[in-house]
Amino acid sequence: GAVVSQHPSRVICKSGTSVKIECRSLDFQATTMFWYRQFPKQSLMLMATSNEGSKATYEQGVEKDKFLINHASLTLSTLTVTSAHPEDSSFYICSARAGLGTDTQYFGPGTRLTVL
Amino acid sequence: AQKVTQAQTEISVVEKEDVTLDCVYETRDTTYYLFWYKQPPSGELVFLIRRNSFDEQNEISGRYSWNFQKSTSSFNFTITASQVVDSAVYFCALSVFFAGGTSYGKLTFGQGTILTVHP
Repeated sequence: GAVVSQHPSRVICKSGTSVKIECRSLDFQATTMFWYRQFPKQSLMLMATSNEGSKATYEQGVEKDKFLINHASLTLSTLTVTSAHPEDSSFYICSARAGLGTDTQYFGPGTRLTVL
Repeated sequence: AQKVTQAQTEISVVEKEDVTLDCVYETRDTTYYLFWYKQPPSGELVFLIRRNSFDEQNEISGRYSWNFQKSTSSFNFTITASQVVDSAVYFCALSVFFAGGTSYGKLTFGQGTILTVHP
């Protein structure tokens, strides 16, 4: 149980295009999903928290107009990197949590974004 | 604010050696969870263990064991008889409860320890 999937696993795009990354909880309903960014050989940096049916809460320094997050259902959250630039190239990881008091986050396999 | 420190950036051992990964945390909250995650080269974070602040019992799962010491704010992880497949980056993380007993669930990660097990 507790499987989280991400799609795509890898994407290469041209500068200026937008990229959408999907995060799905496959065998449980995720009231909360988190989006992280990880640079090579570094730790995970929380970008935002999304609760189903409400606006995402962004961490300080994360541009919400740049990184659009939608959590339309209890099993799906999407991250859209708008007008991507080479500095947005990174490893993006989502995680899902089943509910309040269920504090374990289960992570997706990550999406490697390369912006040319 | 919360902070997690993994002082060991990289550890290299030979197969069958025991290895301990250190984790020290800081929080003013009295109720919190501690976690260890493994990130193999594939990139996916694998959940290893969760421990709440009220439970200081040490835990053993196969070759893995965890030592939680509230007095020193440490939550160390030991791998016994290490194997090449244990090579990965290991992250220690902390989440705290808000007042009222519900958790916001935000994880604060340590910087990670790169473990390399040589055959």
